[in-house]
Amino acid sequence: DAGVIQSPRHEVTEMGQEVTLRCKLISGHNSLFWYRQTMMRGLELLIYFNNNVPIDDSGMPEDRFSAKMPNASFSTLKIQPSEPRDSAVYFCASRQGQGDNEQFFGPGTRLTVL
Amino acid sequence: SQELEQSPQSLIVQEGKNLTINCTSSKTLYGLYWYKQKYGEGLIFLMMLQKGGEEKSHEKITAKLDEKKQQSSLHITASQPSHAGIYLCGADAYNQGGKLIFGQGTELSVKP
Repeated sequence: DAGVIQSPRHEVTEMGQEVTLRCKLISGHNSLFWYRQTMMRGLELLIYFNNNVPIDDSGMPEDRFSAKMPNASFSTLKIQPSEPRDSAVYFCASRQGQGDNEQFFGPGTRLTVL
Repeated sequence: SQELEQSPQSLIVQEGKNLTINCTSSKTLYGLYWYKQKYGEGLIFLMMLQKGGEEKSHEKITAKLDEKKQQSSLHITASQPSHAGIYLCGADAYNQGGKLIFGQGTELSVKP
C-alpha cells in the first residue's frame, strides 16, 4: 500500500486565492483527519470524518475553511480566500475503525500564502 | 479541555547517550500515542499505551505510562543519529479512540 497520499506537496499562492488540498486515504480505512502544523501552535486537529461523515469540525479556524469527503477514499480541504496566516503544513491522516488503532499520516502539504 | 505538555522542548545529546522525553497530561489519559517526525515529513507511529503501568519497547525505544495514567515517558537507549527528529505525544481526547490532542513536541538532535 502506498500509504496516505497528499497533493500538492508544496503550494505557494497569493493572498485572496483559493487553495485546495487533497488527500487519499489508505485502502480500507474509514476515518480521516485533517491537521495543521505551525511553529507557534504545534499540531492542531482541524476536522475529522468517520465513514464520510464529519464528526468534529471544532478545530476549523473560520468559515474560509471547508472540508469534504466526496467518497470513502478521498478528501479535500479548501481555503477560500487564503490569507498569509494560513501558511502552515497541512497533514491528513487515516485510521481503520474507531478503536485504538493508530493514525497513519501523509507527508503533508506545505502551504505558503504571500 | 485536555492539554499535553512535553519536556524538554529540545534536547541535544552525544551519540551513545541515553535520554528521556516526558509527556504530562492535564487529565487522565485513555490512550497515549508516541510519534516521530523528521523535518519536512509526516508523523511516523512509534507506540501506543493504554493501561496504567504499561511499558512497550521497540528496538532501543521504550515508552511507559504511569499508574495514574497522566504521565508518559519515552526513553532512548544508546542514541544514534537516526533517532534525531521531533517526538510528539498524542492523547485520545475521548475514550472512544476519537481525535488526538498533541503535545508541542520535543526536538532531538544527536551529535556524532
